[in-house]
Amino acid sequence: DTEVTQTPKHLVMGMTNKKSLKCEQHMGHRAMYWYKQKAKKPPELMFVYSYEKLSINESVPSRFSPECPNSSLLNLHLHALQPEDSALYLCASSQPGQFSYEQYFGPGTRLTVT
Amino acid sequence: AQTVTQSQPEMSVQEAETVTLSCTYDTSESNYYLFWYKQPPSRQMILVIRQEAYKQQNATENRFSVNFQKAAKSFSLKISDSQLGDTAMYFCAFISYSGAGSYQLTFGKGTKLSVIP
Repeated sequence: DTEVTQTPKHLVMGMTNKKSLKCEQHMGHRAMYWYKQKAKKPPELMFVYSYEKLSINESVPSRFSPECPNSSLLNLHLHALQPEDSALYLCASSQPGQFSYEQYFGPGTRLTVT
Repeated sequence: AQTVTQSQPEMSVQEAETVTLSCTYDTSESNYYLFWYKQPPSRQMILVIRQEAYKQQNATENRFSVNFQKAAKSFSLKISDSQLGDTAMYFCAFISYSGAGSYQLTFGKGTKLSVIP
């Protein structure tokens, strides 16, 4: 199983809502990532978890709150978002500790903030 | 800091023909990996090919091959016998160590490739 799954596929939320994005993998990977991707742009790294601990936070606003409850699951909690936060949110996983380990990407959640 | 430059925002190729996508990068590190990722219109990003900097031999994966010129910091992707399914955005990426066992990808801006029937 080389699949990273993400739910929901699409999400529309108001600026006062609270919602969560979910990412799951069963490849035994111990590094998981959240990226934000705007249309026709490359993915931008938001957070990295290594062995279930937050190791990188790329100066992301606090309205985005990541959580890694176990080695297979990664959540991104959203609160009081702005319209400019509308984007495709990609999750990825890999084995930590080696340059050569590729990152496996999920299909993404298309987020629209109204 | 690492930078990755893809100078061709869009390219097109006739089906069955060969196309080359260019990528240059800048780094002070001596050992690293470079990747080409493909993102079709359905949006799932997948790895196409990877190259270790210490290996002089260029990587190949079926119809995909790279021309890695370490001194020139160039990493181009050649797609032979182009197929309609190759239509996608292609990202060149450099991987670097971020600490605490984590590695992060730095992506180029991407090249949108269209394969024309």
